[in-house]
Amino acid sequence: AQTVTQSQPEMSVQEAETVTLSCTYDTSESDYYLFWYKQPPSRQMILVIRQEAYKQQNATENRFSVNFQKAAKSFSLKISDSQLGDAAMYFCAYRRYSGGGADGLTFGKGTHLIIQP
Amino acid sequence: AAGVIQSPRHLIKEKRETATLKCYPIPRHDTVYWYQQGPGQDPQFLISFYEKMQSDKGSIPDRFSAQQFSDYHSELNMSSLELGDSALYFCASSSQGPDTQYFGPGTRLTVL
Repeated sequence: AQTVTQSQPEMSVQEAETVTLSCTYDTSESDYYLFWYKQPPSRQMILVIRQEAYKQQNATENRFSVNFQKAAKSFSLKISDSQLGDAAMYFCAYRRYSGGGADGLTFGKGTHLIIQP
Repeated sequence: AAGVIQSPRHLIKEKRETATLKCYPIPRHDTVYWYQQGPGQDPQFLISFYEKMQSDKGSIPDRFSAQQFSDYHSELNMSSLELGDSALYFCASSSQGPDTQYFGPGTRLTVL
């Protein structure tokens, strides 16, 4: 079974600074997807960024970027110019690729990100 | 843009009662997933449906069942409720199976 590990239960960063959240995963699959989801106090799960394992280029979405190291099975999220609205629980998630199937996500335990004004 | 709709948003039940949660996917999405998130925990995958057929199964208790209907909405039926079933239940939808999953706002179930 696949496992996702987030080793930082909590991180704190000053507003406007950069922070990196860590995620490692364990899988025997060669094709899969990785995601970062954000869960603010409203508890809504919001997609931040997605990475396909077959793509060598790291995904970027505005202030959010990832460092995907397939051989090391590492998938970190970098948030640049942190804003107060970025404060949330961040979950790293893995999904295997099974052709046309609808496989569920495996989540890490989450990292609580605090933004200090 | 239209999002995933879940109803009800809040539900309070007694032990041993039955609950039904409903999920309406984003228009033109044909795949639905159910997740359970206990207090202070990460979401746990329960079950998914693609084109009205069960596709993947996670840690769903035998007391729970689900189905997807012809209009692609889905219902999660939970029987013989236990205190430990108190959680936030998310539905997510995607198009064409393995696409990105978009989550609904969740249904908060409290079992007394």
